[in-house]
Amino acid sequence: SAVISQKPSRDICQRGTSLTIQCQVDSQVTMMFWYRQQPGQSLTLIATANQGSEATYESGFVIDKFPISRPNLTFSTLTVSNMSPEDSSIYLCSVGWGAGEKLFFGSGTQLSVL
Amino acid sequence: QQQVKQSPQSLIVQKGGISIINCAYENTAFDYFPWYQQFPGKGPALLIAIRPDVSEKKEGRFTISFNKSAKQFSLHIMDSQPGDSATYFCAASPGGKLIFGQGTELSVKP
Repeated sequence: SAVISQKPSRDICQRGTSLTIQCQVDSQVTMMFWYRQQPGQSLTLIATANQGSEATYESGFVIDKFPISRPNLTFSTLTVSNMSPEDSSIYLCSVGWGAGEKLFFGSGTQLSVL
Repeated sequence: QQQVKQSPQSLIVQKGGISIINCAYENTAFDYFPWYQQFPGKGPALLIAIRPDVSEKKEGRFTISFNKSAKQFSLHIMDSQPGDSATYFCAASPGGKLIFGQGTELSVKP
């Protein structure tokens, strides 16, 4: 398994601002993903964070809105840009070691946008 | 093609009973099927997982049944306990990333 630390755990932000969420893992991992979970809803994949290259975004998510960095095998950031109240969600980092292998989740960042 | 459909949306079970949650998928390229348990304010925790070459997997009180031809899989929780009250998500993986079902809110009554 992996110990995943996400920061911040929660934040309240003003409309139009940006927030960067950090995901730190205690061991090197092959795969890192960012998910969004809207209140009372399921998890939706935002993007795959690729080490040393641009992230791969799912349909409906774009780099300008959700820029992602992954400088090494243990760390990634997700930025939620130009926020609106519709961005109020829990954002979750998940990590794993390969296709068909276990994926572990951080405890999430609860974001509220006023 | 990328959807995973989960039912029921909510489930109430008496203590000691069996909880059953079902999922169906369409994409035959999915090669890994985990179940996650999520408590309020926490991230999802991996409960049990199965690959399509196996029809059943059991870990303690939790069993996954997998029907490849029907493209369905289910989670059975035996001897359900109040501590099992949580939201359960099935998922399917095409090459590493996970596609989640809609979730089932389980409540186990004492």
